[in-house]
Amino acid sequence: EPEVTQTPSHQVTQMGQEVILRCVPISNHLYFYWYRQILGQKVEFLVSFYNNEISEKSEIFDDQFSVERPDGSNFTLKIRSTKLEDSAMYFCASCRDNQPQHFGDGTRLSIL
Amino acid sequence: DQQVKQNSPSLSVQEGRISILNCDYTNSMFDYFLWYKKYPAEGPTFLISISSIKDKNEDGRFTVFLNKSAKHLSLHIVPSQPGDSAVYFCAASDMEYGNKLVFGAGTILRVKS
Repeated sequence: EPEVTQTPSHQVTQMGQEVILRCVPISNHLYFYWYRQILGQKVEFLVSFYNNEISEKSEIFDDQFSVERPDGSNFTLKIRSTKLEDSAMYFCASCRDNQPQHFGDGTRLSIL
Repeated sequence: DQQVKQNSPSLSVQEGRISILNCDYTNSMFDYFLWYKKYPAEGPTFLISISSIKDKNEDGRFTVFLNKSAKHLSLHIVPSQPGDSAVYFCAASDMEYGNKLVFGAGTILRVKS
């Protein structure tokens, strides 16, 4: 069964550094998402992406965050200048029309 | 943000018995409700969903019930198996599947053999 794949599984970065989290959504999916889960908290929505543009973003998704689908298969989340509070599990998800979202196994981001 | 609530942090059930996981929501705009299962070190895995035009959806051992007037849904697993032990998330979306999901905090289900 096709899967959403995320790399790396764990990323350790110094505060203030840029980080790029990578995702390969399921190939025939049209909608792409990033969510995050801070330890002990709920899974929360960051951004959705459709037809090569952001369709919705949350208050968390400020100017430090950006997303890109550079080559038709990858979907990336960039955090320009990381803060301690960006430490979390980041999940990528994708879906087709009228289908539930499928999630990757996540990237654990640790900011030191 | 308390739009989707799972008030039971954990539930312990004997193998073969029924597991009932509950979820409440406050946003009347939610039209689709989903249950995801999550094992440690994995992402959420879709289990079952229900549209607001229905009050029940069944898939094998899993049944989801929706009570719109009470803004309440529940997931029934029968019979429960040890492999069902995981964290179960309730999630809701407005309008259609393409929209963002709002998650509950999750319920840890432990099925004892």
